[in-house]
Amino acid sequence: DGGITQSPKYLFRKEGQNVTLSCEQNLNHDAMYWYRQDPGQGLRLIYYSQIVNDFQKGDIAEGYSVSREKKESFPLTVTSAQKNPTAFYLCASSLLPGQGFYSNQPQHFGDGTRLSIL
Amino acid sequence: GNSVTQMEGPVTLSEEAFLTINCTYTATGYPSLFWYVQYPGEGLQLLLKATKADDKGSNKGFEATYRKETTSFHLEKGSVQVSDSAVYFCALRTLQGAQKLVFGQGTRLTINP
Repeated sequence: DGGITQSPKYLFRKEGQNVTLSCEQNLNHDAMYWYRQDPGQGLRLIYYSQIVNDFQKGDIAEGYSVSREKKESFPLTVTSAQKNPTAFYLCASSLLPGQGFYSNQPQHFGDGTRLSIL
Repeated sequence: GNSVTQMEGPVTLSEEAFLTINCTYTATGYPSLFWYVQYPGEGLQLLLKATKADDKGSNKGFEATYRKETTSFHLEKGSVQVSDSAVYFCALRTLQGAQKLVFGQGTRLTINP
């Protein structure tokens, strides 16, 4: 079955440590996204990518980094510069918005990674 | 800029009650509108969508109509079940600029038997 796989489901970070969250999709989607969700709040966009080897900052990119070396994969690194990393992180993918049938395609989400501080 | 405002939760209803969750938006251009649902500990699932004015999205007994004149996309269901307990997010996406999804803050719904 096609879908988006995020791993691990739970992750713990020590002080001064970088951690990487995995996101893989087999939907043949061009666009991929990372969101952060805090309790009682909506989703905020961290980074997104519409094509391999290219990505753009979202609304809250500080303290995060990404790479897009393969179409299927969009890992997110939470660096030590991110002072408040505890949150639920969601990865999503979609076909590129465009004309006709592909206009405004919905995003498909993974099951998320919950990151906590030790 | 683009934004989405949802009615504040939490919302608690009894089984078989009528549900309305309000959603209004501000956007440049002509956005597509979405409702997503998040069950505990899971990611978001697309519930329904509408891509132009007067479109009605529907799925699993839920409906929402794209009202351009009132910039609204309220979610409704005639008879809720305990299994509908979740957090519901309204979102918009435009074809301009970065074409990002913009989410409301979410509304937590609890259905009691």
